Amino acid sequence: GAGVSQSPSNKVTEKGKDVELRCDPISGHTALYWYRQSLGQGLEFLIYFQGNSAPDKSGLPSDRFSAERTGGSVSTLTIQRTQQEDSAVYLCASSLAHGSANEQFFGPGTRLTVL
Amino acid sequence: LAKTTQPISMDSYEGQEVNITCSHNNIATNDYITWYQQFPSQGPRFIIQGYKTKVTNEVASLFIPADRKSSTLSLPRVSLSDTAVYYCLVGAVSGSARQLTFGSGTQLTVLP
Repeated sequence: GAGVSQSPSNKVTEKGKDVELRCDPISGHTALYWYRQSLGQGLEFLIYFQGNSAPDKSGLPSDRFSAERTGGSVSTLTIQRTQQEDSAVYLCASSLAHGSANEQFFGPGTRLTVL
Repeated sequence: LAKTTQPISMDSYEGQEVNITCSHNNIATNDYITWYQQFPSQGPRFIIQGYKTKVTNEVASLFIPADRKSSTLSLPRVSLSDTAVYYCLVGAVSGSARQLTFGSGTQLTVLP
């Protein structure tokens, strides 16, 4: 079946603008994760959803970042008033269920460039 | 929250066995250890997962000592296509929250 998809694949924006990144998880996967990967760096955990709820948002870098998930499926990560330090690849992953034993399936990522 | 530490980079030659170790001193009782592989411009891809002792699949082995404070990913007979970044992931559950800690990644370069 289809894997995790993300859109857009690339996004260039100007400082101060808002951006919205989309993630379509694998059908039936109840857990969904957002990560950020800066150039040449590892993965930084941002937030995770179990169903439509996000039990812990403390990984979000600032209050300019927000995320939601509707219908237990699609998720959007919104960054308001973007800054140059927000430039990174934003990765989404989904897994069948909650629990660290569950394999995460990653999307190809959205490369965000803030000018 | 489990913090993980990995070597930044490793070089190997084709046909050799490669072992990459990840330290996770604060691993919790319920945490599994998972290794992922990432090629440039792609998302990470699952390689192997374990809880304790040894796990083997068609591409790798994972060795976990009794204290679980570290784990070693073993890639037998690497090829050029194994050149990638390898991450270890240790999950943590705290109440209703779930924090996930990826290691900083190990850049493996396989030379001909």
